[in-house]
Amino acid sequence: DIQMTQSPSSLSASLGAGVTITCRASQTISSYVNWYQQKPGKPPKLLVYSASTLESGVPSRFRGSGSGTDFTLTISSLQPEDSATYYCQQAHSDSWTFGQGTALEIK
Amino acid sequence: EVQLMQSGGGLVQPGGSLRLSCAASGFTFSTAWMHWVRQAPGKGLVWVSLINNDGRTTIYADSVKGRFTLSRDNAKNMLYLQMDNLRVDDTAVYYCARDGRSWGQGTLVTVSP
Repeated sequence: DIQMTQSPSSLSASLGAGVTITCRASQTISSYVNWYQQKPGKPPKLLVYSASTLESGVPSRFRGSGSGTDFTLTISSLQPEDSATYYCQQAHSDSWTFGQGTALEIK
Repeated sequence: EVQLMQSGGGLVQPGGSLRLSCAASGFTFSTAWMHWVRQAPGKGLVWVSLINNDGRTTIYADSVKGRFTLSRDNAKNMLYLQMDNLRVDDTAVYYCARDGRSWGQGTLVTVSP
């Protein structure tokens, strides 16, 4: 099974600042990575697919990058509504695997 | 508009059974591979199961293999997750999903004595 190791598990950043979340796959998975945002009581919302393609309607301050085994989600110019938990997910195999999640607090 | 409307769930004792349903609309259900993902209270997302478009292939996480059965009725645009021999650690919100961008609203399954 492909494991996804995500870090950090939590972070706190100021309004207007930028943050980076990383995910490492246990084997090479090309660009088969999605990034999600989840708020309490809601299903995950797709932000980025195929590692770097922004989903329609997602603000351009979200950016995904990487390939192979190392992937990042960068959020710039943080807004209050960005407070959420973020997950990476590999879509290389039929059985998905998610990272452990990163809880983002906006100060 | 793609919609996945879930039903079922609730409170059940350990060893009991429940069936979750997911009604699909807004897309050609018979061509879509479908997944279930669960999330224990306060925890992360965990993939549970996958069924291919014609229902002939199913894949399960080791934690549910032999206890959960995923099926579909393409004529009714319905997806089903039959959960048997439930355990306390199956307690979670369960989501059906078509792909990364289409998710059901989630349904809570609580397994407790």
